[in-house]
Amino acid sequence: KQEVTQIPAALSVPEGENLVLNCSFTDSAIYNLQWFRQDPGKGLTSLLLIQSSQREQTSGRLNASLDKSSGRSTLYIAASQPGDSATYLCAVSLYSNDYKLSFGAGTTVTVRA
Amino acid sequence: DADVTQTPRNRITKTGKRIMLECSQTKGHDRMYWYRQDPGLGLRLIYYSFDVKDINKGEISDGYSVSRQAQAKFSLSLESAIPNQTALYFCATSDSQGLGYNEQFFGPGTRLTVL
Repeated sequence: KQEVTQIPAALSVPEGENLVLNCSFTDSAIYNLQWFRQDPGKGLTSLLLIQSSQREQTSGRLNASLDKSSGRSTLYIAASQPGDSATYLCAVSLYSNDYKLSFGAGTTVTVRA
Repeated sequence: DADVTQTPRNRITKTGKRIMLECSQTKGHDRMYWYRQDPGLGLRLIYYSFDVKDINKGEISDGYSVSRQAQAKFSLSLESAIPNQTALYFCATSDSQGLGYNEQFFGPGTRLTVL
């Protein structure tokens, strides 16, 4: 069974600091990895999708890296803003069940103005 | 308009009642999913459907049933609600074809409380 861990569970940083969010998974035979943002009382917004053949994906201030051999992904958010405050979830699918996402519990980020 | 919509957004009910949560999508995706989220835990898959005639149980399907009325509609039912089904429920969709293969898109969620 794929286990997905996100550490730390919560993070508080001053505005302008770069954010580094970690995701680790136990089975390296992944199909893809997806990073989501969740705002309180709202659904999940897909931020980045990394296919297993890719090492990283970038969108604006967001950059996600993938290291399958070590079972890790990192989401970098440059120059954080108070509007980046949210819970960030990573989810992984395996080749054997490429439709099924295994989710981490998330990292809750607070960016202080 | 949102691509994936869920109704109701909030629901409070009593133990033993039958509840239906509805999901509609305008993305044209063939695959649809129901998840639940509990505090401090990741999302867990309840049921998934690859098309109207293909419905499958996920990891926590006990106490739930689903119906895929059309490609765009996927409903989740709690036949006899119990308090430990209190959770945030999400519907999601994905496309089995094309460049965005298997990227999942989520609805806004339904907060269900069973008293």
